[in-house]
Amino acid sequence: QVQLVESGGGVVQPGRSLRLSCAASGFSFSTFGMHWVRQAPGRGLEWVAVIWFDGSKKYYADSVRGRLTISRDNSRNTLYLQIHSLRAEDTAVYYCARAEAHNWNLVDFWGQGTLVTVSS
Amino acid sequence: IQVTQSPSSLSASVGDRVTITCRASQGIGSYLAWYQQKPGKAPSLLIYAASTLQGGVPSRFSGSGSGTDFTLTISSLQPEDLATYYCQQLNSYPLTFGGGTKVEIK
Repeated sequence: QVQLVESGGGVVQPGRSLRLSCAASGFSFSTFGMHWVRQAPGRGLEWVAVIWFDGSKKYYADSVRGRLTISRDNSRNTLYLQIHSLRAEDTAVYYCARAEAHNWNLVDFWGQGTLVTVSS
Repeated sequence: IQVTQSPSSLSASVGDRVTITCRASQGIGSYLAWYQQKPGKAPSLLIYAASTLQGGVPSRFSGSGSGTDFTLTISSLQPEDLATYYCQQLNSYPLTFGGGTKVEIK
């Protein structure tokens, strides 16, 4: 069955960098687009970024462009999110999510998320 | 594209008909999805293309609309429908979610 398992979250000091990972299994990872979506504590969902199946195209939310980088390693079935210059407002659960096979803007499966807390 | 959901919360009884609305700041055709997020869980896809039910989703859920105005309807609210519901426009980047509607059971 489809599984997305995020890792790399934790407590990080402001200004530091962090890389989140998402291990995918149960589907042909290299043929699907992938997204990151985040949710601050007690708040709504915020779309962060998408990467095409082959990594050729990437799109970002305006609020994170320039500080966050989405990438993937299809040989390892793994999605990444690099966050630079962490701020308090980056505190959130970060969800890895799979794009639907025929509409890469549509998320059809979500991981369980990893919590990032930015605090000194 | 800004997406506005209303109401932000509602309380209804089991068996009630519940309607949630979503308005986009510009026309998005039918490029809208609805997600359900139960407490403490990841979201799950309910409806895409404004009105197409995702496989396995109960038929009491339905979606309608196009252009700028959309609705999610639960025809007969069940206890397991306790959740927050989000719409998302898929028409153009950056993709954007509505603020969410928290559905509580009276």
